[in-house]
Amino acid sequence: GQQLNQSPQSMFIQEGEDVSMNCTSSSIFNTWLWYKQDPGEGPVLLIALYKAGELTSNGRLTAQFGITRKDSFLNISASIPSDVGIYFCATNTGANSKLTFGKGITLSVRP
Amino acid sequence: GAGVSQSPSNKVTEKGKDVELRCDPISGHTALYWYRQSLGQGLEFLIYFQGNSAPDKSGLPSDRFSAERTGGSVSTLTIQRTQQEDSAVYLCASSLEGKAFFGQGTRLTVV
Repeated sequence: GQQLNQSPQSMFIQEGEDVSMNCTSSSIFNTWLWYKQDPGEGPVLLIALYKAGELTSNGRLTAQFGITRKDSFLNISASIPSDVGIYFCATNTGANSKLTFGKGITLSVRP
Repeated sequence: GAGVSQSPSNKVTEKGKDVELRCDPISGHTALYWYRQSLGQGLEFLIYFQGNSAPDKSGLPSDRFSAERTGGSVSTLTIQRTQQEDSAVYLCASSLEGKAFFGQGTRLTVV
């Protein structure tokens, strides 16, 4: 089946630093989504990308849909303690096709 | 409410008992997912409903697990003869046009 690769499993950064995480696959996709899960909560959609090369920002977050349609990255600038959580990427091949999630990256931010 | 609602939020059950977990999706959403998440881990896909199509049950870990979606809306995940390894958070998500929105989850503890 389709697999998404997110690594490393955990990242540790200092408050104020920028961080970049990416998500790769051997397959081509039409949509890339990024989610964040806070402890004890369900994942929340951060950014949705629909076109190859698309670059979208949401506050301190920026995400891009790779030109090859096989990858995407998420940048967080000027990190703050509330950025801690698990970040998941997700993709599908069409609006009515099943979403596939990556295994997630756990982000820790040191004050 | 406007979001995905799951009940109960917490469930403690004795080993060997059956449990039912409920998911009320966002009105009008055509797709519904169930996932399982162990502490600090990623999302383990269980089952996917899309409209009137046959559900994708490929993620159900054993025949003790089943799910149904009545009238294209509310879904129930049933676990029969629960085991301690079934302890986890069970997350439901509903989706429209490829974007999934999650509930808060049901934390299941089997003692």
